[in-house]
Amino acid sequence: NAGVTQTPKFQVLKTGQSMTLQCAQDMNHNSMYWYRQDPGMGLRLIYYSASEGTTDKGEVPNGYNVSRLNKREFSLRLESAAPSQTSVYFCASSSDRPQHFGDGTRLSIL
Amino acid sequence: ILNVEQSPQSLHVQEGDSTNFTCSFPSSNFYALHWYRWETAKSPEALFVMTLNGDEKKKGRISATLNTKEGYSYLYIKGSQPEDSATYLCASLFRSNDYKLSFGAGTTVTVRA
Repeated sequence: NAGVTQTPKFQVLKTGQSMTLQCAQDMNHNSMYWYRQDPGMGLRLIYYSASEGTTDKGEVPNGYNVSRLNKREFSLRLESAAPSQTSVYFCASSSDRPQHFGDGTRLSIL
Repeated sequence: ILNVEQSPQSLHVQEGDSTNFTCSFPSSNFYALHWYRWETAKSPEALFVMTLNGDEKKKGRISATLNTKEGYSYLYIKGSQPEDSATYLCASLFRSNDYKLSFGAGTTVTVRA
């Protein structure tokens, strides 16, 4: 039961570097999401994909891009990392029921 | 941005005691409320999905109620155990927000043995 798999689990970047976070789900879910989690702020939606071929901005999309490569995979890209993007990133998927979350990617930007 | 608020931010409970905490949300355009349990170093796991006013859900010693007219939900833990220590997140779905989840900041529960 893999569920939602995120890679990598940890990453340290220098300001200005680019990086793609990978997410894959094996539950045949239509919708996929990227969140960031910062202390005292809960989970904030960065981008989501309601179905294969569609993506939409969430609450905090600036500085990020996404690709819904196929039904299984939804990647998040930081084109030019900034210290403000230091956070824990969670991918989730759902099909009209509770969301299933990956284990998170802890990203530090120096 | 649709504000979902949780209170208190944190609480400490003695083992065996019961406790409860609140999730507040705008009642207009409400569609559904989710509760998640989030243990340290793990990912959030769904506890309940609630949609109807007056809904009550129960899983073991944990239960939740929903009041959609006044915009709040309570989560109850009966006879708290150390394994109940976690952050409990609520999230609301609103029709006006394209059915995207808006999360509260969570209530962190620490159960002392």
